[in-house]
Amino acid sequence: EIVMTQSPATLSVSPGDRVTLSCRASQSLNNNLAWYQQQPGQPPRLLIYDASTTATGFPGRFSGSGSGTEFTLTISNLQSEDLAVYYCQQYSSWPRTFGQGTRVDFK
Amino acid sequence: QVQVVQSGPEVKKPGASVKVSCKVSGNPLSEVSMHWVRQVSGQGLEWMAGFDPESDVTIYAQKFQGRVTVTEDTSTDTAYMELISLTSEDTAVYYCAVFLLQRVYDKIWGDWRFPKYFEYWGQGTQVTASS
Repeated sequence: EIVMTQSPATLSVSPGDRVTLSCRASQSLNNNLAWYQQQPGQPPRLLIYDASTTATGFPGRFSGSGSGTEFTLTISNLQSEDLAVYYCQQYSSWPRTFGQGTRVDFK
Repeated sequence: QVQVVQSGPEVKKPGASVKVSCKVSGNPLSEVSMHWVRQVSGQGLEWMAGFDPESDVTIYAQKFQGRVTVTEDTSTDTAYMELISLTSEDTAVYYCAVFLLQRVYDKIWGDWRFPKYFEYWGQGTQVTASS
């Protein structure tokens, strides 16, 4: 089983900040990595797929990068509606696995 | 646009079983790969089972082998996840998540592949196992 490790667990930010979330896989994923955004009381929402492609409906301030075992989600000019928990997930092999999440909230 | 609507909340006694449903619309069930993910309150996401279009079988996480069964009724475009022998640790929100069985071009590999990320999610079903 591929173990996904996200850091940090919590990120305290200010509006307008540029933030970087990290996700590390225990084995190479090539680019088979997705990021999801989950707001309170809501299901997860696909944000990034194939490591760097932004899903429909998300603005350009969200970007993903990385390959192999190291991946990054960057949010530029952070807005209040971006406060959420972000999960990475690998779909390179079975079982599918998620990171434990990074919570982004205001200072 | 695919929509996924799940059944309502369930309260069960420990030792009982629960069956959660997901109805797909916008595309027939036969055109999606259905997966089940759960989330204990305040915790992360845990994949339980899902259809692998490459091998044409449903794959189960080892943790749930023997306790989870996924079935589909294509006549009603509804999928079901049954979890037996419930304990308090099974109290969670259960989600269904799907991707379309339509190959997309992979720029990196230069071929056509299934988009195996979860593009569409149900609203979630709260299952509570309590005496």
